[in-house]
Amino acid sequence: QQQVKQSPQSLIVQKGGISIINCAYENTAFDYFPWYQQFPGKGPALLIAIRPDVSEKKEGRFTISFNKSAKQFSLHIMDSQPGDSATYFCAASMNSGYSTLTFGKGTMLLVSP
Amino acid sequence: SAVISQKPSRDICQRGTSLTIQCQVDSQVTMMFWYRQQPGQSLTLIATANQGSEATYESGFVIDKFPISRPNLTFSTLTVSNMSPEDSSIYLCSVQGETDTQYFGPGTRLTVL
Repeated sequence: QQQVKQSPQSLIVQKGGISIINCAYENTAFDYFPWYQQFPGKGPALLIAIRPDVSEKKEGRFTISFNKSAKQFSLHIMDSQPGDSATYFCAASMNSGYSTLTFGKGTMLLVSP
Repeated sequence: SAVISQKPSRDICQRGTSLTIQCQVDSQVTMMFWYRQQPGQSLTLIATANQGSEATYESGFVIDKFPISRPNLTFSTLTVSNMSPEDSSIYLCSVQGETDTQYFGPGTRLTVL
């Protein structure tokens, strides 16, 4: 049973455009939702994270939107740049993040120049 | 943030042999995790390794195949035993310190022939 479903599997966006990646979860006990960015040959790096007590969190060009009732959250990358080309993973955990992470399957983003 | 190093960064091994992967952190952390990431796939948790206790394995992973040591708060090893080509993956360690963030190492890319 896949507890975190991520879409799309791959995404091509023009430079300057908005990249949107969506995730849905099933376990209502999840209370911490991070997004990780992974470049080829590197380990995943935390990009931004959100808790269910807020509906949106913004850090620079990256925004998480969270819909608790729908059990969905999404990552928006504004003004996408070629350097943003990477694989993005959403994840979820319990106990306010002090627990194991359950990852989505990942989205390979390509930002064309 | 925690700085994590892994050794080796990559290896090519013969079927039936074993490989021990080392994970070193630059600060003391309570929780360490080992993940497997098969080519082009998401991250799957193998086990949680807390200092002073036995590792806790996820469904589908057993201690005989993936023995783990956690001798202190900055170091852990994962051994992949009696390897087969299906074990070809990237193996990642991650740590969780005082905050809710998990930090990942650069990974060990294993190819089994």
